Amino acid sequence: NAGVTQTPKFQVLKTGQSMTLQCAQDMNHEYMSWYRQDPGMGLRLIHYSVGAGITDQGEVPNGYNVSRSTTEDFPLRLLSAAPSQTSVYFCASSSMGSNQPQHFGDGTRLSIL
Amino acid sequence: ELKVEQNPLFLSMQEGKNYTIYCNYSTTSDRLYWYRQDPGKSLESLFVLLSNGAVKQEGRLMASLDTKARLSTLHITAAVHDLSATYFCAVDKSGGTSYGKLTFGQGTILTVHP
Repeated sequence: NAGVTQTPKFQVLKTGQSMTLQCAQDMNHEYMSWYRQDPGMGLRLIHYSVGAGITDQGEVPNGYNVSRSTTEDFPLRLLSAAPSQTSVYFCASSSMGSNQPQHFGDGTRLSIL
Repeated sequence: ELKVEQNPLFLSMQEGKNYTIYCNYSTTSDRLYWYRQDPGKSLESLFVLLSNGAVKQEGRLMASLDTKARLSTLHITAAVHDLSATYFCAVDKSGGTSYGKLTFGQGTILTVHP
């Protein structure tokens, strides 16, 4: 099993550009989440999904869109990149059951110039 | 709004010493997770704590949960260099039968010196 796969690993964008961060999991997990990690702030939840076709906003959703058309994929779209979105983005998935931890991808390091 | 606070944020330890990282959270939850992150890497799950009084141990690490005090601790026994990393606690605020909406603490950067 590959687990949670994120692409790309690194990306540099110019202000105003748009892009999609890809996330795929092969564990048939119902729950998938996107977090951003900034120095000294831990990880903050951007968007969240409990299954195909169902998404919800997290703590810092502004400037980001998500959709979940399949169980496996949960892409994160930056609509118009801003320097404040420079961060490391992690995708995570988990199965139903509180005793199951979230499995994290390797992250995407995004810089907005 | 759920807030999760860890202390200390920075911890410099000598090998062989013991220490505890504290994780306080502001609203009721019975789902708490500890993760480890090495520099430039992803997060690795360490412990899942689901009930008041839960205690779990793995090697030199032991985690506990007191839901009434809204406090979890991560105790390090006889630290070794390999434990140097950043440690996060996270509280699941999903509620009911939903899971996976985690609020993270700021992280504790642990450095173990010879």
